[in-house]
Amino acid sequence: EAQVTQNPRYLITVTGKKLTVTCSQNMNHEYMSWYRQDPGLGLRQIYYSMNVEVTDKGDVPEGYKVSRKEKRNFPLILESPSPNQTSLYFCASSWLQSNSPLHFGNGTRLTVT
Amino acid sequence: QQQVKQSPQSLIVQKGGISIINCAYENTAFDYFPWYQQFPGKGPALLIAIRPDVSEKKEGRFTISFNKSAKQFSLHIMDSQPGDSATYFCAATSFSGSARQLTFGSGTQLTVLP
Repeated sequence: EAQVTQNPRYLITVTGKKLTVTCSQNMNHEYMSWYRQDPGLGLRQIYYSMNVEVTDKGDVPEGYKVSRKEKRNFPLILESPSPNQTSLYFCASSWLQSNSPLHFGNGTRLTVT
Repeated sequence: QQQVKQSPQSLIVQKGGISIINCAYENTAFDYFPWYQQFPGKGPALLIAIRPDVSEKKEGRFTISFNKSAKQFSLHIMDSQPGDSATYFCAATSFSGSARQLTFGSGTQLTVLP
């Protein structure tokens, strides 16, 4: 089954404690992206990757890091989480073309206290 | 800088009614306009999409109307059902060969009353 898998689904942590949210896709997609969803703000892009070892900033990259060492994996790293990073996070993948639909994971709800 | 503006933020419709969600974009380089539907606890999923050389696309009860000159597009849900209750996002996307740009609207929470 074609899917994007994120882990964990829920995460509660404290300010400053490094964490990683994993994302894996089994469709051999070149394009992968991370979004955060906040009420009234919609889906805002954090980082995206066009292919292995090619990553770039989205609209809200501050406080986040990513890596793309393998085509299927695109982890999101918060080196020193802060309460304003409490949010619902989604990973997505697709082919590069404009008309290729994004396939989303089921989300990771992160709470930073 | 919000490149895709979506309205309304929330919408309540009676069963059988028509739901209309509007979006406007600024960047004329966008060349594909999808709508995504999101149910609670799930990631968004593609619902319907349109190219800018087409003025209307219909799939079942869902229709996109596109006005290229006004840089506006809208989603119409005919005969709305309680199962349509979800959050809807419009989006605009382009691919230049070296970069793919995809921008979402702020979302509309639709509630269809039984």
